[in-house]
Amino acid sequence: KNEVEQSPQNLTAQEGEFITINCSYSVGISALHWLQQHPGGGIVSLFMLSSGKKKHGRLIATINIQEKHSSLHITASHPRDSAVYICALIKLGGTSYGKLTFGQGTILTVHP
Amino acid sequence: NAGVTQTPKFQVLKTGQSMTLQCAQDMNHNSMYWYRQDPGMGLRLIYYSASEGTTDKGEVPNGYNVSRLNKREFSLRLESAAPSQTSVYFCASSEEGNRHYGYTFGSGTRLTVV
Repeated sequence: KNEVEQSPQNLTAQEGEFITINCSYSVGISALHWLQQHPGGGIVSLFMLSSGKKKHGRLIATINIQEKHSSLHITASHPRDSAVYICALIKLGGTSYGKLTFGQGTILTVHP
Repeated sequence: NAGVTQTPKFQVLKTGQSMTLQCAQDMNHNSMYWYRQDPGMGLRLIYYSASEGTTDKGEVPNGYNVSRLNKREFSLRLESAAPSQTSVYFCASSEEGNRHYGYTFGSGTRLTVV
């Protein structure tokens, strides 16, 4: 069983819709990243979370450490939000050195 | 612009050829990483360097070597390329603060081995 599970794997939305992508994990973590990758493009870290909630523009990320669950929300979605969203963990432990363990990603397509 | 610079962006190799992927960061980060991304497998760690002068294996190190030349540069070498090494390679660096790691990725190298 993967240590990081994302859902859904694929998500299609109409412009303006509210979107939620979920990430569940089974290990202790020191931090969790939400990453964005546009088709053929590089990878950008949208958020790094260790507790609570963060907001940047139309994007909101939350994490519940006790339940081992995080969500990424996009309000008022736009076609430019179409991308792959990846949840990535930094496991607890003195030898983690920031190494990331990745979920399989969620492919989001937003239609005009 | 501050960030992680990877070269080359694209490369085609013949089986058995060697090459080095270059990576440099200008953010004074201690930790640097090489990941590969494959369809259906996602991103996986090849090698990492927690600090200048140290390197360690990640999840999929076979067929690769690395060098942490200085704090800025972390190179990945394929000594004898194989078709299984066809992939997109990402270099990344991170800053450590209270066990929290802010990450910056390079733009990627798309490698095809024929």
